[in-house]
Amino acid sequence: SQKIEQNSEALNIQEGKTATLTCNYTNYSPAYLQWYRQDPGRGPVFLLLIRENEKEKRKERLKVTFDTTLKQSLFHITASQPADSATYLCALALTGANNLFFGTGTRLTVIP
Amino acid sequence: GAVVSQHPSRVICKSGTSVKIECRSLDFQATTMFWYRQFPKKSLMLMATSNEGSKATYEQGVEKDKFLINHASLTLSTLTVTSAHPEDSSFYICSAKGGQGSYNSPLHFGNGTRLTVT
Repeated sequence: SQKIEQNSEALNIQEGKTATLTCNYTNYSPAYLQWYRQDPGRGPVFLLLIRENEKEKRKERLKVTFDTTLKQSLFHITASQPADSATYLCALALTGANNLFFGTGTRLTVIP
Repeated sequence: GAVVSQHPSRVICKSGTSVKIECRSLDFQATTMFWYRQFPKKSLMLMATSNEGSKATYEQGVEKDKFLINHASLTLSTLTVTSAHPEDSSFYICSAKGGQGSYNSPLHFGNGTRLTVT
Protein backbone atom coordinates (compact mmCIF):
# COMPACT_ATOMS: atom_id res chain seq x y z
CA SER A 1 0.00 0.00 0.00
CA GLN A 2 1.06 3.59 -0.44
CA LYS A 3 2.51 5.30 2.60
CA ILE A 4 4.08 8.59 3.51
CA GLU A 5 5.80 8.49 6.89
CA GLN A 6 7.42 11.32 8.75
CA ASN A 7 10.08 10.14 11.12
CA SER A 8 8.57 11.09 14.40
CA GLU A 9 5.40 12.58 15.65
CA ALA A 10 7.32 15.04 17.79
CA LEU A 11 10.87 16.38 17.83
CA ASN A 12 12.42 18.60 20.49
CA ILE A 13 15.68 20.42 19.89
CA GLN A 14 17.69 23.15 21.55
CA GLU A 15 17.64 26.65 20.11
CA GLY A 16 20.51 27.24 17.70
CA LYS A 17 20.81 23.59 16.67
CA THR A 18 19.85 22.16 13.30
CA ALA A 19 16.53 20.35 13.15
CA THR A 20 16.31 17.47 10.69
CA LEU A 21 12.93 16.07 9.74
CA THR A 22 12.47 12.98 7.60
CA CYS A 23 9.84 12.03 5.06
CA ASN A 24 9.84 8.49 3.70
CA TYR A 25 7.43 7.16 1.12
CA THR A 26 6.59 3.78 -0.35
CA ASN A 27 4.80 2.80 -3.54
CA TYR A 28 4.83 6.31 -4.93
CA SER A 29 6.81 7.76 -7.80
CA PRO A 30 6.46 11.45 -7.06
CA ALA A 31 7.31 14.05 -9.62
CA TYR A 32 7.99 16.51 -6.86
CA LEU A 33 7.76 16.95 -3.13
CA GLN A 34 6.69 19.93 -1.06
CA TRP A 35 7.11 20.93 2.57
CA TYR A 36 4.55 22.91 4.53
CA ARG A 37 4.43 24.45 7.98
CA GLN A 38 1.24 24.27 10.03
CA ASP A 39 0.63 26.17 13.25
CA PRO A 40 -2.09 25.03 15.70
CA GLY A 41 -5.57 25.84 14.47
CA ARG A 42 -4.28 27.21 11.16
CA GLY A 43 -3.98 25.98 7.61
CA PRO A 44 -0.63 24.80 6.23
CA VAL A 45 1.73 27.32 4.66
CA PHE A 46 3.95 26.37 1.73
CA LEU A 47 7.70 26.45 2.38
CA LEU A 48 9.67 24.67 -0.33
CA LEU A 49 9.25 22.52 -3.41
CA ILE A 50 11.82 20.10 -4.82
CA ARG A 51 11.56 18.20 -8.09
CA GLU A 52 12.51 14.58 -8.66
CA ASN A 53 15.57 15.59 -10.66
CA GLU A 54 16.82 17.95 -7.97
CA LYS A 55 19.00 16.80 -5.12
CA GLU A 56 18.83 19.83 -2.88
CA LYS A 57 16.97 23.10 -2.47
CA ARG A 58 17.70 25.95 -0.08
CA LYS A 59 15.77 28.94 1.16
CA GLU A 60 17.30 31.06 3.90
CA ARG A 61 17.71 28.74 6.91
CA LEU A 62 15.80 25.91 5.24
CA LYS A 63 17.26 23.08 3.19
CA VAL A 64 15.48 20.19 1.55
CA THR A 65 17.01 17.10 -0.03
CA PHE A 66 15.29 14.54 -2.20
CA ASP A 67 16.64 11.02 -2.79
CA THR A 68 14.38 9.09 -5.16
CA THR A 69 16.50 5.95 -4.71
CA LEU A 70 16.00 5.93 -0.96
CA LYS A 71 12.49 7.33 -1.41
CA GLN A 72 13.24 9.94 1.18
CA SER A 73 13.30 13.67 1.70
CA LEU A 74 15.12 15.43 4.51
CA PHE A 75 14.07 18.87 5.74
CA HIS A 76 16.65 20.87 7.70
CA ILE A 77 16.23 24.07 9.70
CA THR A 78 19.58 25.52 10.66
CA ALA A 79 20.12 27.86 13.61
CA SER A 80 16.68 26.94 14.86
CA GLN A 81 14.62 29.45 16.82
CA PRO A 82 11.62 29.05 19.14
CA ALA A 83 9.53 30.69 16.40
CA ASP A 84 10.26 27.66 14.21
CA SER A 85 8.14 25.53 16.55
CA ALA A 86 5.28 24.15 14.47
CA THR A 87 4.14 21.02 12.68
CA TYR A 88 5.89 20.37 9.40
CA LEU A 89 4.19 18.36 6.67
CA CYS A 90 5.68 16.77 3.59
CA ALA A 91 3.49 16.31 0.54
CA LEU A 92 3.98 14.31 -2.64
CA ALA A 93 2.58 14.98 -6.06
CA LEU A 94 2.47 12.66 -9.03
CA THR A 95 3.02 13.78 -12.59
CA GLY A 96 -0.09 15.46 -13.92
CA ALA A 97 -2.03 14.96 -10.71
CA ASN A 98 -3.75 17.98 -9.27
CA ASN A 99 -3.82 16.97 -5.63
CA LEU A 100 -1.11 16.30 -3.08
CA PHE A 101 -0.64 13.36 -0.73
CA PHE A 102 0.32 14.52 2.75
CA GLY A 103 2.35 12.88 5.48
CA THR A 104 1.14 12.93 9.08
CA GLY A 105 3.54 15.67 10.06
CA THR A 106 6.25 16.17 12.66
CA ARG A 107 5.63 18.55 15.53
CA LEU A 108 8.85 20.44 16.12
CA THR A 109 9.52 22.24 19.41
CA VAL A 110 12.57 24.47 19.67
CA ILE A 111 13.53 24.94 23.29
CA PRO A 112 15.04 28.30 24.26
CA GLY B 1 -0.26 37.47 -2.67
CA ALA B 2 -2.21 34.19 -3.02
CA VAL B 3 -4.43 34.61 0.03
CA VAL B 4 -7.23 32.16 0.73
CA SER B 5 -9.87 33.21 3.21
CA GLN B 6 -12.01 30.60 4.94
CA HIS B 7 -15.09 31.39 7.00
CA PRO B 8 -16.19 30.72 9.65
CA SER B 9 -13.13 29.78 11.66
CA ARG B 10 -15.24 28.05 14.29
CA VAL B 11 -18.80 26.83 14.32
CA ILE B 12 -20.87 24.90 16.82
CA CYS B 13 -24.12 23.42 15.63
CA LYS B 14 -26.75 21.03 16.83
CA SER B 15 -27.02 17.53 15.45
CA GLY B 16 -29.25 17.40 12.39
CA THR B 17 -28.59 20.93 11.19
CA SER B 18 -26.53 21.96 8.15
CA VAL B 19 -23.43 24.09 8.15
CA LYS B 20 -21.93 26.00 5.24
CA ILE B 21 -18.22 26.80 5.05
CA GLU B 22 -16.92 29.34 2.55
CA CYS B 23 -13.54 29.43 0.90
CA ARG B 24 -12.48 32.48 -1.09
CA SER B 25 -9.36 33.26 -3.07
CA LEU B 26 -8.82 36.96 -2.42
CA ASP B 27 -6.21 38.00 -4.94
CA PHE B 28 -6.16 35.30 -7.56
CA GLN B 29 -8.56 33.18 -9.54
CA ALA B 30 -8.73 29.61 -8.32
CA THR B 31 -9.68 27.20 -11.06
CA THR B 32 -9.27 24.30 -8.66
CA MET B 33 -10.07 24.13 -4.97
CA PHE B 34 -9.55 21.23 -2.59
CA TRP B 35 -11.38 20.41 0.61
CA TYR B 36 -9.56 18.53 3.35
CA ARG B 37 -10.49 17.15 6.70
CA GLN B 38 -7.94 16.84 9.48
CA PHE B 39 -8.20 14.77 12.64
CA PRO B 40 -5.96 15.44 15.66
CA LYS B 41 -2.42 14.24 15.03
CA LYS B 42 -3.46 12.90 11.65
CA SER B 43 -2.65 13.84 8.10
CA LEU B 44 -4.79 16.00 5.89
CA MET B 45 -7.41 13.80 4.27
CA LEU B 46 -8.55 14.97 0.85
CA MET B 47 -12.33 14.96 0.67
CA ALA B 48 -12.99 16.38 -2.77
CA THR B 49 -11.61 18.42 -5.62
CA SER B 50 -13.76 21.10 -7.16
CA ASN B 51 -13.28 22.88 -10.44
CA GLU B 52 -15.09 26.07 -11.24
CA GLY B 53 -18.33 25.46 -13.06
CA SER B 54 -18.31 21.68 -12.83
CA LYS B 55 -19.24 19.01 -10.34
CA ALA B 56 -16.82 18.17 -7.58
CA THR B 57 -14.84 14.96 -7.65
CA TYR B 58 -15.14 13.14 -4.34
CA GLU B 59 -12.58 10.79 -2.85
CA GLN B 60 -13.53 7.24 -2.09
CA GLY B 61 -15.53 6.95 1.09
CA VAL B 62 -16.69 10.57 1.14
CA GLU B 63 -20.47 10.91 0.86
CA LYS B 64 -21.30 13.47 -1.79
CA ASP B 65 -24.82 13.91 -0.47
CA LYS B 66 -23.46 14.58 2.98
CA PHE B 67 -20.75 17.01 1.96
CA LEU B 68 -22.11 19.29 -0.74
CA ILE B 69 -19.51 21.29 -2.64
CA ASN B 70 -20.25 24.21 -4.90
CA HIS B 71 -17.61 26.09 -6.90
CA ALA B 72 -19.77 28.63 -8.63
CA SER B 73 -17.10 31.21 -9.35
CA LEU B 74 -13.36 31.45 -9.77
CA THR B 75 -13.01 32.92 -6.30
CA LEU B 76 -15.52 31.04 -4.18
CA SER B 77 -16.11 27.43 -3.21
CA THR B 78 -18.46 26.29 -0.46
CA LEU B 79 -18.70 23.10 1.53
CA THR B 80 -22.04 22.33 3.18
CA VAL B 81 -22.16 19.63 5.80
CA THR B 82 -25.74 18.46 5.69
CA SER B 83 -27.58 16.91 8.62
CA ALA B 84 -24.47 17.13 10.73
CA HIS B 85 -23.75 14.52 13.38
CA PRO B 86 -21.18 14.50 16.18
CA GLU B 87 -18.88 12.27 14.13
CA ASP B 88 -18.66 15.09 11.57
CA SER B 89 -16.89 17.22 14.16
CA SER B 90 -13.47 17.95 12.73
CA PHE B 91 -11.14 20.57 11.29
CA TYR B 92 -12.01 21.33 7.67
CA ILE B 93 -9.49 23.14 5.48
CA CYS B 94 -9.79 24.39 1.93
CA SER B 95 -6.96 25.09 -0.47
CA ALA B 96 -6.67 26.55 -3.92
CA LYS B 97 -4.44 26.59 -6.96
CA GLY B 98 -4.23 29.60 -9.18
CA GLY B 99 -5.49 29.68 -12.74
CA GLN B 100 -1.98 29.68 -14.10
CA GLY B 101 -0.81 27.07 -11.64
CA SER B 102 0.55 23.91 -13.11
CA TYR B 103 0.29 20.54 -11.47
CA ASN B 104 3.35 21.22 -9.36
CA SER B 105 2.23 24.61 -8.06
CA PRO B 106 2.01 24.91 -4.29
CA LEU B 107 -1.35 24.96 -2.60
CA HIS B 108 -2.62 28.02 -0.79
CA PHE B 109 -4.60 27.06 2.26
CA GLY B 110 -7.33 28.76 4.21
CA ASN B 111 -7.03 28.86 7.99
CA GLY B 112 -9.53 26.09 8.48
CA THR B 113 -12.91 25.73 10.17
CA ARG B 114 -13.29 23.93 13.46
CA LEU B 115 -16.72 22.28 13.37
CA THR B 116 -18.25 20.96 16.57
CA VAL B 117 -21.56 19.15 16.37
CA THR B 118 -23.36 18.76 19.67
